[in-house]
Amino acid sequence: DAMVIQNPRYQVTQFGKPVTLSCSQTLNHNVMYWYQQKSSQAPKLLFHYYDKDFNNEADTPDNFQSRRPNTSFCFLDIRSPGLGDAAMYLCATSRDQGRLETQYFGPGTRLLVL
Amino acid sequence: GIQVEQSPPDLILQEGANSTLRCNFSDSVNNLQWFHQNPWGQLINLFYIPSGTKQNGRLSATTVATERYSLLYISSSQTTDSGVYFCAVVRLAGNTPLVFGKGTRLSVIA
Repeated sequence: DAMVIQNPRYQVTQFGKPVTLSCSQTLNHNVMYWYQQKSSQAPKLLFHYYDKDFNNEADTPDNFQSRRPNTSFCFLDIRSPGLGDAAMYLCATSRDQGRLETQYFGPGTRLLVL
Repeated sequence: GIQVEQSPPDLILQEGANSTLRCNFSDSVNNLQWFHQNPWGQLINLFYIPSGTKQNGRLSATTVATERYSLLYISSSQTTDSGVYFCAVVRLAGNTPLVFGKGTRLSVIA
């Protein structure tokens, strides 16, 4: 089945230690998104790629970076995780960038910062 | 930016009961999606419904775009329906991302 895959499902890191979260998709979608969701809150968009074009949300901290080496994979890098970065990180895809597109979400990676 | 308000924030149902979840939005939209987030965190698309009515099994949704609201109906609820239901919209004007409401947390008890 075509799907959005996130690895790992759970990640524990230390305060200040860089961490990378991975997302892959078999849908061949052009757009990939990264969301942060803190406990009991709605998902918040960090950034997205339309093909190779990177689009950062205005309030996304510089501590968060992303890479998309090819259509199928996208990575979220947190350069120096703080305690406040503990959250669920959700990857999503859509076929195109238009406002009419449906987004499909992966299962998420739950990040714990010690 | 656009405001998305969902009600009620929390809902407890006996298995077999019906419920209606509401999503109000403050501006015209051309994309509205309902999602179910299960207890393990997976967000699952339920409906893409910027206007009109759709049904999928025990779930149905109606969006009245001119009055800026959408309703999600759950009939004959089951314990597996538990989780958080999110409404998310894209504003008609401007190049804005999907904006989520705060969700309705549903607990269905046997």
